[in-house]
Amino acid sequence: GAGVSQSPSNKVTEKGKDVELRCDPISGHTALYWYRQSLGQGLEFLIYFQGNSAPDKSGLPSDRFSAERTGGSVSTLTIQRTQQEDSAVYLCASSLIVGRGATGELFFGEGSRLTVL
Amino acid sequence: TQLLEQSPQFLSIQEGENLTVYCNSSSVFSSLQWYRQEPGEGPVLLVTVVTGGEVKKLKRLTFQFGDARKDSSLHITAAQPGDTGLYLCAGARIQGAQKLVFGQGTRLTINP
Repeated sequence: GAGVSQSPSNKVTEKGKDVELRCDPISGHTALYWYRQSLGQGLEFLIYFQGNSAPDKSGLPSDRFSAERTGGSVSTLTIQRTQQEDSAVYLCASSLIVGRGATGELFFGEGSRLTVL
Repeated sequence: TQLLEQSPQFLSIQEGENLTVYCNSSSVFSSLQWYRQEPGEGPVLLVTVVTGGEVKKLKRLTFQFGDARKDSSLHITAAQPGDTGLYLCAGARIQGAQKLVFGQGTRLTINP
């Protein structure tokens, strides 16, 4: 596709259930990021992939959160035993690795809005 | 602890006025980016600044990176309703780093 695609766009779940959020990055983009945004505020970094490996997963809030990326493309963010404080918009972004000395432009999807009741 | 502090957090002004949004840190950044986000959409890149003291202009928007690379500002001249949105600054701590740290954003409303 032309841009970063995320699904589902909206997810309402009950506390304690597991959820999976999917991100399909721009073709050819080697870097993939997950961020979390609450109430239209700033973005909280969760995890970053380069290819299929995650050099930085320092932002994952707890061991209930995990993410994987396969084939250097699609990524899935899984939240187990969801809690109400997990409610937020989860944004995925991808970028090209533009080389030394430069940080590439992040292209964002529209996000997955998660509501935990 | 917020690594990048943006101010003001909210700003509502009339069409035609000028405004400045600030992005400050006690840390040095290799580069800073500014994004704009509209409701229901992901952020979209406006500009990247990489050199201390750098000034970039994008039509009515002027971006500046501080000499010490710890702060940045966004100035909008003659604001228009289409400028309404959430403005986010984002910094890379290390040269060539792929992880961006975001500020909490400035929600700008331009009233006709």
